[in-house]
Amino acid sequence: EDKVVQSPLSLVVHEGDTVTLNCSYEVTNFRSLLWYKQEKKAPTFLFMLTSSGIEKKSGRLSSILDKKELFSILNITATQTGDSAVYLCAVVTGRRALTFGSGTRLQVQP
Amino acid sequence: GAGVSQSPSNKVTEKGKDVELRCDPISGHTALYWYRQSLGQGLEFLIYFQGNSAPDKSGLPSDRFSAERTGGSVSTLTIQRTQQEDSAVYLCASSATGPNQPQHFGDGTRLSIL
Repeated sequence: EDKVVQSPLSLVVHEGDTVTLNCSYEVTNFRSLLWYKQEKKAPTFLFMLTSSGIEKKSGRLSSILDKKELFSILNITATQTGDSAVYLCAVVTGRRALTFGSGTRLQVQP
Repeated sequence: GAGVSQSPSNKVTEKGKDVELRCDPISGHTALYWYRQSLGQGLEFLIYFQGNSAPDKSGLPSDRFSAERTGGSVSTLTIQRTQQEDSAVYLCASSATGPNQPQHFGDGTRLSIL
């Protein structure tokens, strides 16, 4: 059975801190890995990663994939209170649409 | 519309009743997905439609769950004889061509079974 595990489950930091969120996976027929941010309702797309070692960057957020060790990290630098959310990692395989991890709940305190 | 639209946003019903949830995907997106998110949990895949192909129903938890997508656009998820464990947020997503394109989510329908 395909499995996606995120850590930590929750995290509390102060504004300005840098955080690293982890996602490891065990799946068959890996195609790509995606990161989403979920605040109150709809998850919003952050990154899609298909190749190892190529960093994707958007403002203070960046992510990288290691297909040999089967994991990805999401970094957020200079965190702000608006970064508070649940961050979801999901893997696309040949078998089904997306397999999601349970998410990391990030709380950024002023 | 600009994004994925779901209705109703909230639904409260009694155990044993049937419910229908609606999803209107982004115009032009050929792929449509349904997920379920229980309180504090990640998203659980339910069903996937791609164009005119037979849907991937492998995530449906029981035969009380079914979904249709008419005309390649709007989709309806139906839950028959609802049970309390069906209470969750049901999220719909669409993507341009398939799983290798980012999925864009609607705000979901929060279903509460009394």
